[in-house]
Amino acid sequence: AQKITQTQPGMFVQEKEAVTLDCTYDTSDPSYGLFWYKQPSSGEMIFLIYQGSYDQQNATEGRYSLNFQKARKSANLVISASQLGDSAMYFCAMREGHSNSGYALNFGKGTSLLVTP
Amino acid sequence: GAVVSQHPSRVICKSGTSVKIECRSLDFQATTMFWYRQFPKQSLMLMATSNEGSKATYEQGVEKDKFLINHASLTLSTLTVTSAHPEDSSFYICSARAPEGGGYGYTFGSGTRLTVV
Repeated sequence: AQKITQTQPGMFVQEKEAVTLDCTYDTSDPSYGLFWYKQPSSGEMIFLIYQGSYDQQNATEGRYSLNFQKARKSANLVISASQLGDSAMYFCAMREGHSNSGYALNFGKGTSLLVTP
Repeated sequence: GAVVSQHPSRVICKSGTSVKIECRSLDFQATTMFWYRQFPKQSLMLMATSNEGSKATYEQGVEKDKFLINHASLTLSTLTVTSAHPEDSSFYICSARAPEGGGYGYTFGSGTRLTVV
C-alpha cells in the first residue's frame, strides 16, 4: 500500500504567488517524521523542511511552511512568493519510527512545479 | 553539515559490463546507507539498506546478485550493477544516515545517471 500520496502530478503557479503542494500519508506508528525535498533537473535532492509527528507547531523554513494536519494525515507544503528558480520536482517523504530508528525514507510520486513569469 | 560524495555522476557503459558507484561520507561515519533508483519522472524507489560490516537488506523484487552492495567501512558504500542491460539505465542515488548533520538525519549523494547501451 502506498504510504505517501501526492495527488498532483503537475502544478503551475505565477511568479510571486503562493502555491500549496499536497501530501497525505499512511502509518500506524505514533512516531514518524515528514520531509519535503526539491529535486531540480540536475537530480540532487535538496532538503526543504521537516515535521515531526509530536511537533505541536507547523514547521517553517523561510518561504516554505508545512501545513500539518495530523488527524487528516496530511502534510502539505506551502511555498510563498514563488520564484522562477522554484520550478522543480517536489517530493514528500516519511520516516516511520523514532528519529533513531534507522529506517529509510518512503517517497511519494512527486509533483512537478512550474513557476511562470 | 554532513556531506555524501557520490561518483561517478554520469556513466555510459556497454551492455554486459559491470559498473561500480561509490558513495563516500566526507565528514561523518555513515553506519547505514540507503540506495535508491529513480526512473525518469518517477519517484525514488528504495533498493536496499546497507549497514557497515554486514550484508545489505534488499527490497522485494531487487536482485541482490545483480545489484551488489558493499559497505565495508564507515565512510564508503558501493553499488555494483553487474552485467548491466539497457533496462538498468536509471538514476541511482544514495542516502546516508547522518544524525548529527542537517536534513534531520538523512543526507543524499548527488546521484549517478547510468546509461547502458
